[in-house]
Amino acid sequence: GESVGLHLPTLSVQEGDNSIINCAYSNSASDYFIWYKQESGKGPQFIIDIRSNMDKRQGQRVTVLLNKTVKHLSLQIAATQPGDSAVYFCAEIRSQGAQKLVFGQGTRLTINP
Amino acid sequence: DGGITQSPKYLFRKEGQNVTLSCEQNLNHDAMYWYRQDPGQGLRLIYYSQIVNDFQKGDIAEGYSVSREKKESFPLTVTSAQKNPTAFYLCASSMAGPVPFNNEQFFGPGTRLTVL
Repeated sequence: GESVGLHLPTLSVQEGDNSIINCAYSNSASDYFIWYKQESGKGPQFIIDIRSNMDKRQGQRVTVLLNKTVKHLSLQIAATQPGDSAVYFCAEIRSQGAQKLVFGQGTRLTINP
Repeated sequence: DGGITQSPKYLFRKEGQNVTLSCEQNLNHDAMYWYRQDPGQGLRLIYYSQIVNDFQKGDIAEGYSVSREKKESFPLTVTSAQKNPTAFYLCASSMAGPVPFNNEQFFGPGTRLTVL
């Protein structure tokens, strides 16, 4: 079946290093992708989004890259800080049928001092 | 301040009882959603509503019911038919419209339901 998934369930990085979180999707009809950050016991927070007609989008300290050829999405966080510790989810919207977000499993990012 | 509120934050229920989780938004969003999250897992869609007085089943609707009588409110009832109801429940809302515009979903703080 089709799914949105992540390559790694956990990622540990040194404070100040860059973090790269990956996500694979299988539906080429997906139009829109979102990265969410979820801190423990809280609801997900929007980080950045990208439309399928784009390859790259930058925000403050974050960059999302979309490779439609291999159906791969990544979130890059520059100069990782302790406050970046959280679980990161990618999600996709498929325009065919109901407009529902489909979430991946999530990657837990931990920052080492 | 605009946002989504969920209450209560923690909820305990005895096995066999129905319980209703509240979700309210003042963002003037047309669409509202309920998700379930289990430990170490992603979010799974229970029900969603694109407009008042209309709602559709998500991927795991069995044992749940919803209503959408007002634009700003989308309560979720966890019935006794739900076999494994202990989970973290998240409500979200978004503007309705053609994908991919304006589909960012804003999430509430969640309700943690524990069945005793």
